[in-house]
Amino acid sequence: QKEVEQDPGPLSVPEGAIVSLNCTYSNSAFQYFMWYRQYSRKGPELLMYTYSSGNKEDGRFTAQVDKSSKYISLFIRDSQPSDSATYLCAMSDTNSGNTPLVFGKGTRLSVIA
Amino acid sequence: DAGVTQSPTHLIKTRGQQVTLRCSPKSGHDTVSWYQQALGQGPQFIFQYYEEEERQRGNFPDRFSGHQFPNYSSELNVNALLLGDSALYLCASSPDHNEQFFGPGTRLTVL
Repeated sequence: QKEVEQDPGPLSVPEGAIVSLNCTYSNSAFQYFMWYRQYSRKGPELLMYTYSSGNKEDGRFTAQVDKSSKYISLFIRDSQPSDSATYLCAMSDTNSGNTPLVFGKGTRLSVIA
Repeated sequence: DAGVTQSPTHLIKTRGQQVTLRCSPKSGHDTVSWYQQALGQGPQFIFQYYEEEERQRGNFPDRFSGHQFPNYSSELNVNALLLGDSALYLCASSPDHNEQFFGPGTRLTVL
């Protein structure tokens, strides 16, 4: 079993839809959870960064963490064609730039105008 | 302020050759990590450099080595290239907190 599982998709939605992206993980030591967006042939860009369980909102993006279920989600409201990208979840066990991140495979999202 | 920069953008090598990839971190960042991202996969941690020393290493063979210079820039070297080394190689820099900033990557193709 991989440490982090993420459905690779592809996921195709119409413009304006609410998108739900999810990851599960097996390592209960993970406490810091991140979502990165990666456009084709580009490096990952940090979207959301959360600690432990709970919700965090930033504009159209909401990140949720449920540590009891080892499950994290990213919601995108009013999705736009510019949101079309691969979304990677990542996690670590300590709050330090020195910690290797463990990534999911990424979910490819297409938002159709 | 320039972000993380990597060079070259892409390159093609043949099996058995050696390659060197370069990374310049964001200004003020002293820690550099390297990741390998195979097609359709998430990035996998190779190793991390801090104060010119390899501080942590992922599950990669000794063919993968690196270096960090006094100005915090870093190199990734891969010897005896295999077809399976074809991937996007990502450099990430960070200060003391957990926000790692990634560069655009170097796409390596091994024929």
